[in-house]
Amino acid sequence: NAGVTQTPKFQVLKTGQSMTLQCAQDMNHNSMYWYRQDPGMGLRLIYYSASEGTTDKGEVPNGYNVSRLNKREFSLRLESAAPSQTSVYFCASETSYSRGQNQPQHFGDGTRLSIL
Amino acid sequence: AQSVTQLDSHVSVSEGTPVLLRCNYSSSYSPSLFWYVQHPNKGLQLLLKYTSAATLVKGINGFEAEFKKSETSFHLTKPSAHMSDAAEYFCVVSDSSSNTGKLIFGQGTTLQVKP
Repeated sequence: NAGVTQTPKFQVLKTGQSMTLQCAQDMNHNSMYWYRQDPGMGLRLIYYSASEGTTDKGEVPNGYNVSRLNKREFSLRLESAAPSQTSVYFCASETSYSRGQNQPQHFGDGTRLSIL
Repeated sequence: AQSVTQLDSHVSVSEGTPVLLRCNYSSSYSPSLFWYVQHPNKGLQLLLKYTSAATLVKGINGFEAEFKKSETSFHLTKPSAHMSDAAEYFCVVSDSSSNTGKLIFGQGTTLQVKP
């Protein structure tokens, strides 16, 4: 009963390094999301994938790329990490969205990323 | 545009006393509204969801929320706080302006429960 699994749980990078955050869900959900959480700002959407084969920008996409590898997996890549990207990153999944009918999103435990 | 405001960044209560976490929203459409809870070093867990079926929504762990359209509010309450309720709580509204499942999060309210 894993739900949404994120790896790694912690990571420290140097400025300019690249990294891919992994996310996998085993609930057969169609939609997946990447958020970042910063103190006092709630969660902000980076990218999302409404269904397999599609990805779209969210509120704060700059400096990130994503890949919806298959229905289960949705990865987030930092090509050249910057200190401003120090944050906690959450992946979430949702059954499927019908207009006006959000289903609950299921969240992973997060990846804590520090960029020096 | 949709938005959500949590009126208190920090709430402190004594164990056994009522909890009130306040949330106001702005939406041009009939919104979907949620409350999520986040315990330290964990992801977010759904407490309850409003989808227009009933204005009083019951959630897990004794929490409930009342949707008041006239006041554009969706406050979270619990009659008696437990130590395990100490966590951060997020009020969330759906971004109904787009045909996606995007959610808009409030800034969060930290609930402290004192023995």
